[in-house]
Amino acid sequence: EIVLTQSPGTLSLSPGERATLSCRASQSVTSSYLAWYQHKPGQAPRLLIYGASSRATGIPDRFSGSGSGTDFTLTISRLEPEDFAVYFCHQYGSSPLHTFGQGTKLEIK
Amino acid sequence: EVQLVQSGAEVKKPGESMKISCQASGYSFTNYWIGWVRQMPGKGLEWMGIVYPGDSDSRYSPSFQGQVTISTDKSISTVYLQWSTLKASDTALYYCVRLYRQGAVFGSGYFDYWGQGALVTVSS
Repeated sequence: EIVLTQSPGTLSLSPGERATLSCRASQSVTSSYLAWYQHKPGQAPRLLIYGASSRATGIPDRFSGSGSGTDFTLTISRLEPEDFAVYFCHQYGSSPLHTFGQGTKLEIK
Repeated sequence: EVQLVQSGAEVKKPGESMKISCQASGYSFTNYWIGWVRQMPGKGLEWMGIVYPGDSDSRYSPSFQGQVTISTDKSISTVYLQWSTLKASDTALYYCVRLYRQGAVFGSGYFDYWGQGALVTVSS
């Protein structure tokens, strides 16, 4: 089973700063089948990135994904107030089909 | 507009049975896998299983195989998650998700739409 480890657990930044979130897999992720989601309290999670680097429909271009193999990164180039949330990664190419990282909380400094 | 609307919060006792639902709209229901994801209090997300409404084929996470049943009713575009015997450890928030197929592995893909979540509390 592929285990996804996200770091840091909590990231404290100010609006306007750049955020870099990491997701490391215990084994290589098949064909970069990795997604990123944003989750705010009381709301449904929202798909941001799929296939490691493709932005989902309607996602601002300040969100970008990169990486391959076992190391993946979500970058938010310039934080907006609405970006403070929990972010989690998800691999969907290998047994047992779907696993999630434990999440990174992005909080206002 | 794609929507996944889940049934409401439930409070149950250990040993009881339960079925929660997820009604889909805004797309061709039989053409996309629908799955369930669990979030226990203070914990991360866990994939439970998925079903293909077109033929009711299903796949389960090994952690949930035999513990729950996922089913579908095409006539009302609804997917269900069912327990026969609830335990206190089933207390969690449950999301239904639509899977956008990607990859050669059957049932692989990312979750492009999520329901609003259903809080299940199991307590004596």
